[in-house]
Amino acid sequence: GNSVTQMEGPVTLSEEAFLTINCTYTATGYPSLFWYVQYPGEGLQLLLKATKADDKGSNKGFEATYRKETTSFHLEKGSVQVSDSAVYFCALGSGNTGKLIFGQGTTLQVKP
Amino acid sequence: DARVTQTPRHKVTEMGQEVTMRCQPILGHNTVFWYRQTMMQGLELLAYFRNRAPLDDSGMPKDRFSAEMPDATLATLKIQPSEPRDSAVYFCASGLETYEQYFGPGTRLTVT
Repeated sequence: GNSVTQMEGPVTLSEEAFLTINCTYTATGYPSLFWYVQYPGEGLQLLLKATKADDKGSNKGFEATYRKETTSFHLEKGSVQVSDSAVYFCALGSGNTGKLIFGQGTTLQVKP
Repeated sequence: DARVTQTPRHKVTEMGQEVTMRCQPILGHNTVFWYRQTMMQGLELLAYFRNRAPLDDSGMPKDRFSAEMPDATLATLKIQPSEPRDSAVYFCASGLETYEQYFGPGTRLTVT
């Protein structure tokens, strides 16, 4: 079945450091891929998405490229800020259900 | 700025009591999801609806949980009787027939 695996957290970085959060997936067909972010005390918010191979999703300085050959969708940001501290979820959608399969989430803590 | 709303935001109740959580999806969205989030299990899909019809409730304990959509502007999740293991944050999300889901702020449930 479809599944998503994220790197385990927590990830602790200093402000302005480079961020990578790894995400790999298993799916039949051609899924759409997403990153959601959850700030403390809030619901999840869509951060970025990619719907086909080699697409790059980007938003708020974050980027992720849909790599079909490595079944990956790693999240990157060149210079993190304290305000980026949150839990990041990788997810995939496949078929026509509208249902998302979420990874377990990776906690990012950015220190000043 | 359209948002998913959930009530109550916090609920503390005693074991054995009935709990009802409500969700107002974004106007025009035809798909509604209920999730449960705990530290141990992460984010779990409980049930979801499309055009008010239940599509999948396999993630929900059937003996005590029930989910309904009385109309297009209201989704409810009931637990009867509640148990301490039901303590969690319950999220509602809505969307169109795509994978972009918009999450509410959640209901934090504590069962003592």
